[in-house]
Amino acid sequence: NAGVMQNPRHLVRRRGQEARLRCSPMKGHSHVYWYRQLPEEGLKFMVYLQKENIIDESGMPKERFSAEFPKEGPSILRIQQVVRGDSAAYFCASSPRRGADQPQHFGDGTRLSIL
Amino acid sequence: ELKVEQNPLFLSMQEGKNYTIYCNYSTTSDRLYWYRQDPGKSLESLFVLLSNGAVKQEGRLMASLDTKARLSTLHITAAVHDLSATYFCAVDMTGSQGNLIFGKGTKLSVKP
Repeated sequence: NAGVMQNPRHLVRRRGQEARLRCSPMKGHSHVYWYRQLPEEGLKFMVYLQKENIIDESGMPKERFSAEFPKEGPSILRIQQVVRGDSAAYFCASSPRRGADQPQHFGDGTRLSIL
Repeated sequence: ELKVEQNPLFLSMQEGKNYTIYCNYSTTSDRLYWYRQDPGKSLESLFVLLSNGAVKQEGRLMASLDTKARLSTLHITAAVHDLSATYFCAVDMTGSQGNLIFGKGTKLSVKP
């Protein structure tokens, strides 16, 4: 039973380019969460999605960032016109349902570096 | 706004010693989680604490939850080098959509 799959593991972009991060949840999980981690910091919540719906995007910057979780395929976190401050590790987590008495399962993350 | 504070942020221990990591949070919570992260790796779930007085143990680690004090502890018994990692507590605030609020983490180094 594969875990949460994220790709790419590492992504290098120049300022002004677009970054696309992908996340396939665990089998049977329909809830996806994106978090951002800066060096030596804890994870900061960005967005929570279910299939075809954004449930909570309160942690997402208002500009340049968007997320989707289509009916078919992985969840995508998209960052347009990247800046140096976007450099971070981006983690995706999934769970079978909200409020489950089991933890969110995390992927290995995408390390985004902006040149 | 929910705040989660861990202390200490850095902990250097000798093998064989005991220590406790503390996690305080600022508002009512349904659930509290402890995760472990090795450098450059993902987060591994350690414990899920769901009610006041909950205590869970796995090997040399034991976690407890006091919802009235809004405090969770992670106790390390007879530390070994393999426990060296960063430990995070995370809180699911009551009434939230399920997103977790993380502490800054405690970086544990166990020395021989």
